[in-house]
Amino acid sequence: ILNVEQSPQSLHVQEGDSTNFTCSFPSSNFYALHWYRWETAKSPEALFVMTLNGDEKKKGRISATLNTKEGYSYLYIKGSQPEDSATYLCASNAGNMLTFGGGTRLMVKP
Amino acid sequence: EPEVTQTPSHQVTQMGQEVILRCVPISNHLYFYWYRQILGQKVEFLVSFYNNEISEKSEIFDDQFSVERPDGSNFTLKIRSTKLEDSAMYFCASSILFPQGSYEQYFGPGTRLTVT
Repeated sequence: ILNVEQSPQSLHVQEGDSTNFTCSFPSSNFYALHWYRWETAKSPEALFVMTLNGDEKKKGRISATLNTKEGYSYLYIKGSQPEDSATYLCASNAGNMLTFGGGTRLMVKP
Repeated sequence: EPEVTQTPSHQVTQMGQEVILRCVPISNHLYFYWYRQILGQKVEFLVSFYNNEISEKSEIFDDQFSVERPDGSNFTLKIRSTKLEDSAMYFCASSILFPQGSYEQYFGPGTRLTVT
C-alpha cells in the first residue's frame, strides 16, 4: 500500500505571493505522479501527470517538478490570484489505481 | 470539453437500504473507476473496471459493493445494504487507456452519500 503525503495541509497567502507545496511518495514501483486542482462542488481538475525523474511541467503560472529517486514532487504557483484558491491533490499510481495524498488547501487573499 | 458526469449530486438513504450511484464517463474512454472520500480523510480507491469486468479492487470494495456498465454509456456503483460508515463523497473517473504511465484520470464532481 502506497503512502502519499502532502504538506502543508493548508496555506494562506496574499494575492501576488508565490507559493509552493510538497508531495512525497514511495519511490519503489513508481509509475506516475498526478496533480489535481479541486474546487468545492466541482470535479477535480487534472493539472499534470509526470513520469520521468527530473520532469518539469508548466501550465500558465503553475509548474511542477518530480524527483522519483527521492520520492517527492513540488507544485509552484507564481503570483497567486484569488481564483487559485482550491485544494491541490497529488496522487501516485502503481497499477491502475491512484493513491492520493491528503491535499493542500490554498487560500489566496485579495 | 467532454466531462464525466454523476447523478445524483446528493443522496440521503437509511441504513440497510440499497443505493445506486450513476456515472457517465467520457465517451471514448475505456477504463472506469470509483473512488470515495470520507469527510476529513484522503480520497481512496475502490475499484477499476475495463472490458466489462473488474480489473482491480481495494479492501474497501467488499461483497456489499458492485459495479456495472448496463449500457454503452452509464457506469454504476451499487451498495447493497448501506452502513453509516458508507457516508462519503463518491467520485467516478475514467481514462482513455491503461493508467500505468502518463494517462490522466478524469473525475466527475462526485455524489455525496449520507446514510442515516
